[in-house]
Amino acid sequence: SQQGEEDPQALSIQEGENATMNCSYKTSINNLQWYRQNSGRGLVHLILIRSNEREKHSGRLRVTLDTSKKSSSLLITASRAADTASYFCATDGNNRLAFGKGNQVVVIP
Amino acid sequence: TAGITQAPTSQILAAGRSMTLRCTQDMRHNAMYWYRQDLGLGLRLIHYSNTAGTTGKGEVPDGYSVSRANTDDFPLTLASAVPSQTSVYFCASSDFGSSDYNEQFFGPGTRLTVL
Repeated sequence: SQQGEEDPQALSIQEGENATMNCSYKTSINNLQWYRQNSGRGLVHLILIRSNEREKHSGRLRVTLDTSKKSSSLLITASRAADTASYFCATDGNNRLAFGKGNQVVVIP
Repeated sequence: TAGITQAPTSQILAAGRSMTLRCTQDMRHNAMYWYRQDLGLGLRLIHYSNTAGTTGKGEVPDGYSVSRANTDDFPLTLASAVPSQTSVYFCASSDFGSSDYNEQFFGPGTRLTVL
């Protein structure tokens, strides 16, 4: 069933600014993952955070997880035009992923 | 390395006709998945397979069938297509079981229009 729910749905920012996306879910999870989808392409895995972790970094990406609130956030720092894409959170609760509806991010050069 | 390939890239299909979407991976992943992506609904799981010879139903399995005769191939069949099956279909795979997480690798998608 669909668990992840991203907020906001669409974001337009200037190059160099930070972009933050949120995701909430309903049931217990093993981990939460974020994926990126460029227009007309398949999804690409960005970062995973386990249920016992609170924060994780990978390059310009920072993801947080609050299991008490059942929510996660993805921060992209110093955004670039190439970051223009849709971003999806996905929860892994029974070894199958449940994806949110996605955030569309447009980075204006 | 090709990763995951899907065929065809796109297809227009008359309602009532059957069609098989092909998916092949070369990563020797044991698990494979089929999703459909519709505007405003995100990705929804149709069917999955945790290992060759086994399959399972996802969130929206009706009207679709799958088979997993070997590790590499996971075809999705629409026996009698209906317009509501117009969507973009993604195949994915993962190395389920060998680690404690389930990162999935996606194919490029098949855009299907049923008229």
